[in-house]
Amino acid sequence: ETGVTQTPRHLVMGMTNKKSLKCEQHLGHNAMYWYKQSAKKPLELMFVYSLEERVENNSVPSRFSPECPNSSHLFLHLHTLQPEDSALYLCASSQENMDEQYFGPGTRLTVT
Amino acid sequence: AQSVTQPDIHITVSEGASLELRCNYSYGATPYLFWYVQSPGQGLQLLLKYFSGDTLVQGIKGFEAEFKRSQSSFNLRKPSVHWSDAAEYFCAVGAPYSSASKIIFGSGTRLSIRP
Repeated sequence: ETGVTQTPRHLVMGMTNKKSLKCEQHLGHNAMYWYKQSAKKPLELMFVYSLEERVENNSVPSRFSPECPNSSHLFLHLHTLQPEDSALYLCASSQENMDEQYFGPGTRLTVT
Repeated sequence: AQSVTQPDIHITVSEGASLELRCNYSYGATPYLFWYVQSPGQGLQLLLKYFSGDTLVQGIKGFEAEFKRSQSSFNLRKPSVHWSDAAEYFCAVGAPYSSASKIIFGSGTRLSIRP
């Protein structure tokens, strides 16, 4: 595997379910990001991890819980989501202070 | 803080025609500038970037962009588009020597290709 991978690619979950999104980067980067992309809205930065420490949390509801166990892996744990949380969730990585981010293919999440 | 504006929400061009997508930024100094492309249902792919030096930057897939400090612009160009160029294009601006989170994306321009 090369680049940034995300699993699953598609996820349908009910509002009472608990699920997790996984991201893995094979680029040797030390910063990782979660973005939310909804229809007709700009890309929303959710969380940033740099050197495995969370450095930014942009007022994201607590039903989204990130985890970064090491510099190559990033998770987004989901619980009791709302229908408006349906979106494409993108993971990205970069070398800190270089700004150039590499994106995964995304997870298309549908909350029913 | 930096900001970026893509004035065109949707553009349609004929296959084989030239293309220019507009991007304007706001930043107190020379920023890092990027163009990304996103095909439907996919992640963003970096087309090109400007950090410093030559203001005309060549990217992948035949795209180029020109940094114009006087106009605070970083427009993306391609001399002859192909049907496969239909996608969403995002301009982004980053602050040099900043923390990992300091990159702002524009709202995107959707490109359609007329056969």
